[in-house]
Amino acid sequence: DIQMTQSPSSLSAFVGDRVTITCRASQGISSYLAWYQQKPGKAPKLLIYAASTLQAGVPSRFSGGGSGTDFTLTISSLQPEDVATYYCQKYNSAPQMFGQGTKVEIK
Amino acid sequence: DVQLLESGGGLVQPGGSLRLSCAASGFTFSSHAMTWVRQAPGTGLEWVAGIATSGGNTYYAASVEGRFTITRDNSKNTMYLQMSSLRGEDTATYFCARWGGVIPLVHPIDYWGQGTLVTVSS
Repeated sequence: DIQMTQSPSSLSAFVGDRVTITCRASQGISSYLAWYQQKPGKAPKLLIYAASTLQAGVPSRFSGGGSGTDFTLTISSLQPEDVATYYCQKYNSAPQMFGQGTKVEIK
Repeated sequence: DVQLLESGGGLVQPGGSLRLSCAASGFTFSSHAMTWVRQAPGTGLEWVAGIATSGGNTYYAASVEGRFTITRDNSKNTMYLQMSSLRGEDTATYFCARWGGVIPLVHPIDYWGQGTLVTVSS
């Protein structure tokens, strides 16, 4: 099975900072990569799919990049409402593996 | 608006069974592959199972294969997850979710329910 590894597992940054989360697949997955945001006690929300396509309604400060095995999620200017855990997911085949998550907090 | 409403969670003893339901509304249910994802307390997301639009093709995580069965009834706009031989490690919030297209596995999950908690304990 393809494994998804995110880093870091947590980060703390100031409001307005640029934040980048990475996700690495153990084998190539082309661009079959999605990013989700999950706030405490809530269901996950799709932010980005096909590695770099922003889901409708998601603020433009979120962006995604990469292909093959290495991917990034960038928040260009961190806002208080971005406090959440972020997950990557590969969706080219079964099993549909998620990364272990990156918890983002405000300093 | 797309809505996914799970039900059927609760407390069950190890070795027991439980059936979860997911009632869908706000979209053409028969045009979307569907899936279940779970989250154990304080941990990350784990994909559990998926089903094609017709119900003819199903997919499972290795951790549940042979114990869980995913089905759907397009006439009732409802998906199910029959869980048997339950173990402590199955304790989790189970999310019903919609794949963003007809074909299973090759679309991101674009809508999620709020989840239903399953607790396996004696």
